[in-house]
Amino acid sequence: GEDVEQSLFLSVREGDSSVINCTYTDSSSTYLYWYKQEPGAGLQLLTYIFSNMDMKQDQRLTVLLNKKDKHLSLRIADTQTGDSAIYFCAENPGGYNKLIFGAGTRLAVHP
Amino acid sequence: DAGVIQSPRHEVTEMGQEVTLRCKPISGHDYLFWYRQTMMRGLELLIYFNNNVPIDDSGMPEDRFSAKMPNASFSTLKIQPSEPRDSAVYFCASSPQTGFTYEQYFGPGTRLTVT
Repeated sequence: GEDVEQSLFLSVREGDSSVINCTYTDSSSTYLYWYKQEPGAGLQLLTYIFSNMDMKQDQRLTVLLNKKDKHLSLRIADTQTGDSAIYFCAENPGGYNKLIFGAGTRLAVHP
Repeated sequence: DAGVIQSPRHEVTEMGQEVTLRCKPISGHDYLFWYRQTMMRGLELLIYFNNNVPIDDSGMPEDRFSAKMPNASFSTLKIQPSEPRDSAVYFCASSPQTGFTYEQYFGPGTRLTVT
């Protein structure tokens, strides 16, 4: 079935790297996504990776994809207090427009 | 672009009342999604439309919920009658058909409280 799993909470010190992990189930997904939700706001697309890639880098963000293990990770370098938010992993089973989201990982950045 | 617009931003109503949530997608987007977010259940897809036609409503909880998209620039989600367990944040999102990356753009949400 369709299921995306994430750890619920991560706490890091300002300036350190954060790594948020996700596992998904549908190997037919063509894209995997990371969304960010700040308090009181909707989800905002952070980045995505095509399923035939294993890495994508975008400034402080690095996405790693292990398709064999169906494991996705988001690394945030030099984490800042402004990065405190909930991060959602998502897949698009069957390569269609419908996305399946994980429960979200709450990232807390402390000084 | 103004982004996805939702109204109202907050709604407080009594059990049994009808509630209507509104959404204006980004101009030119062909897909529109309605989600519900709660602490217990996370983010749930309720229904989505393509070119104003409902494609998948399997996430709609029960007959009390209905959604319409009369034209490309407007959609409603109606709950009648409302119940306390409907209390949640309801998000609307839209997505363009082109590009095949299927990224979705979310509105700010409507926080619904049913007492």
